[in-house]
Amino acid sequence: NAGVTQTPKFQVLKTGQSMTLQCAQDMNHNSMYWYRQDPGMGLRLIYYSASEGTTDKGEVPNGYNVSRLNKREFSLRLESAAPSQTSVYFCASSRADSGSPYEQYFGPGTRLTVT
Amino acid sequence: SQQGEEDPQALSIQEGENATMNCSYKTSINNLQWYRQNSGRGLVHLILIRSNEREKHSGRLRVTLDTSKKSSSLLITASRAADTASYFCATYYGNNRLAFGKGNQVVVIP
Repeated sequence: NAGVTQTPKFQVLKTGQSMTLQCAQDMNHNSMYWYRQDPGMGLRLIYYSASEGTTDKGEVPNGYNVSRLNKREFSLRLESAAPSQTSVYFCASSRADSGSPYEQYFGPGTRLTVT
Repeated sequence: SQQGEEDPQALSIQEGENATMNCSYKTSINNLQWYRQNSGRGLVHLILIRSNEREKHSGRLRVTLDTSKKSSSLLITASRAADTASYFCATYYGNNRLAFGKGNQVVVIP
């Protein structure tokens, strides 16, 4: 099992460009998440998908959109990149039963620089 | 939203020593989790402790939870150089979401 995979690993964008970060998991998990990690800020939730067909905003959703393509895949799109979106982006997945949080499994991250 | 806050932020110890880090949170929890992040990698789940548990062990890890003080501690015994990492606590705040603290950086000197 590959677990959670993310592409690309590194990306440099110019301000105003768009891109999509891809995430896939092979653990048959219902829930998937996108986080960003900035120095001294810990992880902040951007968007999440509690189950296939649903997506919801997290703590810092502005400037991002997501698509839960199917149970395996959850993509994050930056429509018009800004320098403030320079960060490391992590995708995660989790088994989910209602009201019973389980551990999350993380991908290796995408390091994004916006110039 | 709930937020785990680790204390202290950075810790440097000699190999073989114990490392202790703390986490506090603000509201009632269902469970609290600890994760490790090696430099440049994704987070890895270490241990989960439920609100009705006071202590839990996993190998060289010991986690305690004091719900009356809204705090948890992670103890790593007999530390190794490979334990050098950042450690995060995370609390559940509904709909399968976790709130992560800012992390403790631990450096184990060989």
